[in-house]
Amino acid sequence: NAGVTQTPKFRVLKTGQSMTLLCAQDMNHEYMYWYRQDPGMGLRLIHYSVGEGTTAKGEVPDGYNVSRLKKQNFLLGLESAAPSQTSVYFCASSSQGGQPQHFGDGTRLSIL
Amino acid sequence: DQQVKQNSPSLSVQEGRISILNCDYTNSMFDYFLWYKKYPAEGPTFLISISSIKDKNEDGRFTVFLNKSAKHLSLHIVPSQPGDSAVYFCAARRGGSEKLVFGKGTKLTVNP
Repeated sequence: NAGVTQTPKFRVLKTGQSMTLLCAQDMNHEYMYWYRQDPGMGLRLIHYSVGEGTTAKGEVPDGYNVSRLKKQNFLLGLESAAPSQTSVYFCASSSQGGQPQHFGDGTRLSIL
Repeated sequence: DQQVKQNSPSLSVQEGRISILNCDYTNSMFDYFLWYKKYPAEGPTFLISISSIKDKNEDGRFTVFLNKSAKHLSLHIVPSQPGDSAVYFCAARRGGSEKLVFGKGTKLTVNP
């Protein structure tokens, strides 16, 4: 039982490059979330999804896009990476909204 | 405007003693509160939660207290163990919301 799996674990990008972070969960959860964690800032919600085919903006959505084409997967895209997007990105899922979320181990992204 | 505040960035205690981690919130619509624990290079893991209809919830060595009039909650760990050394995040949910709001975290160090 893998829980929440994030791919890749580390990545270095150049400014202006694009990439997609993949989150996969095997718990049949409806709700999925993308957060970023920056030093001294805690966890900030980027986008979330309340079910397959749905997405919604969180606290810091600018510069990111998401897609939830399959229930088990939630993709986070950076179309044109900027140094300000250097961060650790966490994906989470839950069976119901606002309930305890299960987190992946994060993707450490550096943008030069 | 930060709705969930953890004003102590760090806390150091001796093994066997009590650890008390504090969290304040500003939104009176929050009705559910959670504590997460995070080790380096791992995702946060759910520790314990409390509903606003209660003032205390216990799970083994961990107890969460809620003071609604003061908009304050605390996590007590008794007795503290070196393995408890981690960053602890407080989180809250507004009634009916699918989202959690996280504090910035408190780094707990338990010294042998």
